[in-house]
Amino acid sequence: DTGVSQNPRHKITKRGQNVTFRCDPISEHNRLYWYRQTLGQGPEFLTYFQNEAQLEKSRLLSDRFSAERPKGSFSTLEIQRTEQGDSAMYLCASSFDRDGYTFGSGTRLTVV
Amino acid sequence: AQKITQTQPGMFVQEKEAVTLDCTYDTSDQSYGLFWYKQPSSGEMIFLIYQGSYDEQNATEGRYSLNFQKARKSANLVISASQLGDSAMYFCAMRGFQKLVFGTGTRLLVSP
Repeated sequence: DTGVSQNPRHKITKRGQNVTFRCDPISEHNRLYWYRQTLGQGPEFLTYFQNEAQLEKSRLLSDRFSAERPKGSFSTLEIQRTEQGDSAMYLCASSFDRDGYTFGSGTRLTVV
Repeated sequence: AQKITQTQPGMFVQEKEAVTLDCTYDTSDQSYGLFWYKQPSSGEMIFLIYQGSYDEQNATEGRYSLNFQKARKSANLVISASQLGDSAMYFCAMRGFQKLVFGTGTRLLVSP
């Protein structure tokens, strides 16, 4: 198993454009989490899935953000009409139930 | 709600010395888990050590040990025999009901 994979590693986009990130979790992990990390801060929870069901969303996840996990495998996080405040590292993690959280290397988004 | 507090924005240590990174937590849950992660400049979150709230022994993993004082709600990370490669951000995290909650981190610099 190659761990949690996130693509792309870096994304530069113009304000107002839409972006989509992908996360491939460890195959036997049933839970998948998205976090956002801004400079100098710890990761902040955005949302999580158990299998294909999205069970919790943070208030940080505005209407411009949407996440999916079709078939309970990979997940995508889309940000519509990006703003400069969306610039951050977006981290994905997976676990089997509440055990063994493994993080990906993250996608660093820069909105110009 | 769970809360993690890391009061040391930065710490300096000389190579081969030991260093303690502080973490205090707040929760009303009886069962919880405490984690420490290392984040190098490349961005990935690397799991270091885990302590369950019911574990009577302090966790140890190689050069890492967790000084767990339940009554004081503290879970300090001790790194023995620091190495230059230990220079990174260190995050304390608590497993709440469904997700990890992180502190703001401590930047550790190891000097030769």
